[in-house]
Amino acid sequence: EVQLAESGGDLVNPGGSLRLSCAASGFTFSDYTMNWVRQAPGKGLEWVSSISSSSSYIYYADSMKGRFTISRDNAKNSLFLQMNSLRAEDTAVYYCARVFASGSPFDCWGQGTLVTVSS
Amino acid sequence: DIQMTQSPSSLSASVGDRVTITCRASQNITRYLNWYQQKPGKAPNLLIYAASSLQSGVPSRFSGSGSGTDFTLTINSLQPEDSAAYYCQQSDSIPPTFGQGTKVEIK
Repeated sequence: EVQLAESGGDLVNPGGSLRLSCAASGFTFSDYTMNWVRQAPGKGLEWVSSISSSSSYIYYADSMKGRFTISRDNAKNSLFLQMNSLRAEDTAVYYCARVFASGSPFDCWGQGTLVTVSS
Repeated sequence: DIQMTQSPSSLSASVGDRVTITCRASQNITRYLNWYQQKPGKAPNLLIYAASSLQSGVPSRFSGSGSGTDFTLTINSLQPEDSAAYYCQQSDSIPPTFGQGTKVEIK
């Protein structure tokens, strides 16, 4: 069964850091571009970042550039998101999601992990 | 960035009704348009990709149409389990962007 499982969400102070992980199983992880998508409480979906299958291409939403770093370990079927200088507006459920190729949809999502930025 | 605008933002319909949700892109995205269903507390689930292709396992009462800038998601014969939020998303260019969502309620 294809599965994505996020972890690492927590309550963190403004200005703090957090590292999210996403464990993949049931498919060939190294074939897919991986993404982080977030959803603030009661709000819509917002794409955060993507990393190509071999980590050659990395993209970020403008509001995350310079603060967030996406990475992956294909040997361990894992995706990561290092989040620094966190702000209250980063409070959200963070989902990892896979995309097979450019132009393809997010066809599999994890269950999400909650990040709360508050003092 | 490509802006995606959905309408309506919410609707209420009865079981058995036909429901239509529209999505408009701020520029031509050919058929790079996807639809997701999200139930409370759950992750989004892909329903339709490439404007009109039904994802495996999705009931056939869901259908999509459109190209260019205007797209439609139709639910034929609305069922109680279809109560959810629905989002369109363009995959034509980076950054991928979502519509603001449509909340479907069952009367």
